[in-house]
Parts: sequence; C-alpha cells; structure tokens
Amino acid sequence: GNSVTQMEGPVTLSEEAFLTINCTYTATGYPSLFWYVQYPGEGLQLLLKATKADDKGSNKGFEATYRKETTSFHLEKGSVQVSDSAVYFCALAYNAGNMLTFGGGTRLMVKP
Amino acid sequence: DAGITQSPRYKITETGRQVTLMCHQTWSHSYMFWYRQDLGHGLRLIYYSAAADITDKGEVPDGYVVSRSKTENFPLTLESATRSQTSVYFCASSDQSTKGYGYTFGSGTRLTVV
Repeated sequence: GNSVTQMEGPVTLSEEAFLTINCTYTATGYPSLFWYVQYPGEGLQLLLKATKADDKGSNKGFEATYRKETTSFHLEKGSVQVSDSAVYFCALAYNAGNMLTFGGGTRLMVKP
Repeated sequence: DAGITQSPRYKITETGRQVTLMCHQTWSHSYMFWYRQDLGHGLRLIYYSAAADITDKGEVPDGYVVSRSKTENFPLTLESATRSQTSVYFCASSDQSTKGYGYTFGSGTRLTVV
C-alpha cells in the first residue's frame, strides 16, 4: 500500500539556518505530494504541493521537488525564522478513494 | 463564514458519557474526514465520508460513530467515552480532486476524558 516516511524530529535550528526535512514515499502510479504545516494550537494548513514528477512546489520561502527516481519530496528553506517553528507533515494523494496518506510529522524548533 | 468549523474547541467529559463533536463545511465538498492526533502516532483516520449517507471506517474506528445526513455536516460521536479517547480531533474536507488540492482542515477539538 501507499506510505510516507519522514525524518523523526525534533529538528532544532538557529534562526537563518538552512532547513531540510526529508520525506520519502511508497506508492503505485503517480501520486500528488503535499507538505502541510501545523502551528501550535492550530489545524493543518497546506504549505505546498506538486502534482507530477519534477514539479517544484513553493510557498513562503519553502520549496520541495517531486523526485520520482528517488521517490522523495524533501522540504527545504534557505533561512528559517522563529515563526517557522511548527510540525510539518508530508503527504501523498492517490486517486483511489480520494485519500491522503500522511507521514508521522516532524517538529521544527527555531531558536533566536 | 466560509470554511470548515469544528465545535466545541475544547471539551472535558467523564468516562462513560456520550459526546458529539461537530464539523461543518460551507463549500459543499463531497469528502469529509475525521482524524485524531496523538503524540507518537501522528494523524490517524477514524472515519470518512464520500457523500451524504455514505460513510466508511478508517484506521481506528472502534468506539466512534458518524453520520452524514447533509453534505455540510459530519458529526463524530463517542458513544461511551474512555480515557484512551483523550486526543485532539480534526475534521477535514476535500472536493472530488484531492489528488490536486489536498484537504482543508478545521482548527480541531481538544477532548479530555476524565
């Protein structure tokens, strides 16, 4: 079946550091890939998405590239801010049943 | 207001009581979902619905009941609450093309069973 694996956290960085959160997936066919962000006390919000191989999703300085050859969708940001502290979820959507499959989430803590 | 709303935001209940969590969306999305979020378990799907009067079990359905008589509402009922059901519950919705658009989530209900 479909699955998403994320690096375990927490990831702790200093402000302005470079961020990478790894995400790999297992799926048949050609899923769409997503990153969601959950700020403290809130629900999940869509951060970015990519719907086909080699697409790059980007938003708020975050980027992720859909790599079919390595089945990966790593999240990157060149310079993190304290306000980026949150839990990040990688997910994939495959047509059957219209379901999203989530990874376990990665907590990011950014220190001033 | 447009969007997806959950109520209540916080709830404390006693073991054995019935409690219903409400979810309402204004987009007429066909799909709706209930997840619980627990430390160490990420998000786990409880139930989902593809349309009014169509519901199906997710990964952890035991102890929960859902109904969907109207497209916009998808209440989740804990028939006899247990302490293991203490959690944060999220409702989500999507249109026919989750593959392109993903889900939209509510703000969550924090439920404590004492």
